[in-house]
Amino acid sequence: AQKVTQAQTEISVVEKEDVTLDCVYETRDTTYYLFWYKQPPSGELVFLIRRNSFDEQNEISGRYSWNFQKSTSSFNFTITASQVVDSAVYFCALSCETSGSRLTFGEGTQLTVNP
Amino acid sequence: DTAVSQTPKYLVTQMGNDKSIKCEQNLGHDTMYWYKQDSKKFLKIMFSYNNKELIINETVPNRFSPKSPDKAHLNLHINSLELGDSAVYFCASSQGYGFVSDTQYFGPGTRLTVL
Repeated sequence: AQKVTQAQTEISVVEKEDVTLDCVYETRDTTYYLFWYKQPPSGELVFLIRRNSFDEQNEISGRYSWNFQKSTSSFNFTITASQVVDSAVYFCALSCETSGSRLTFGEGTQLTVNP
Repeated sequence: DTAVSQTPKYLVTQMGNDKSIKCEQNLGHDTMYWYKQDSKKFLKIMFSYNNKELIINETVPNRFSPKSPDKAHLNLHINSLELGDSAVYFCASSQGYGFVSDTQYFGPGTRLTVL
């Protein structure tokens, strides 16, 4: 069975601080995909990134970066120079070969960026 | 230009009533999903349809019945509503046939409150 753990329930930072959201996953499949979604206070779910299990290159998109490490089964998300608009719940999710497109979500991390 | 839309956004109803939530996507995707987000923000898949065919049917009460009149629409009908059905329901869509690599794009959610 697959599982995603986001151990940080809530994080609070001050604007311009860097913050890392942790994600640890479990699966026995060799082919799987990892995702991050953002849920701002308005409630919608916004897709941020998808990474497959064969690509361990880190990815950077503006102030966002992602670190995928198969050795520790982690797919962490860093926001550099955080802004108030980054305040949201962030979800890490996993889809596995044996479960098709079912997304298994972590519990989410509530990030609050204070001015 | 809304990609995945849901109606209504809010739904307040009495226990025992029957209600429907509608979902439409204009992305030309082949697969659509329903997810439930509970009060603790936990997201769990309920159903998935590919081109009007049911491909994922998680263990949900049979009071919940999805209906897909065409590949752009997936509605959720709930009979005999119970207090525990109160949640946010998200519709999503993806391009492929429910493959592990599919990225799912979510609608804005429907907040259902059962009194």
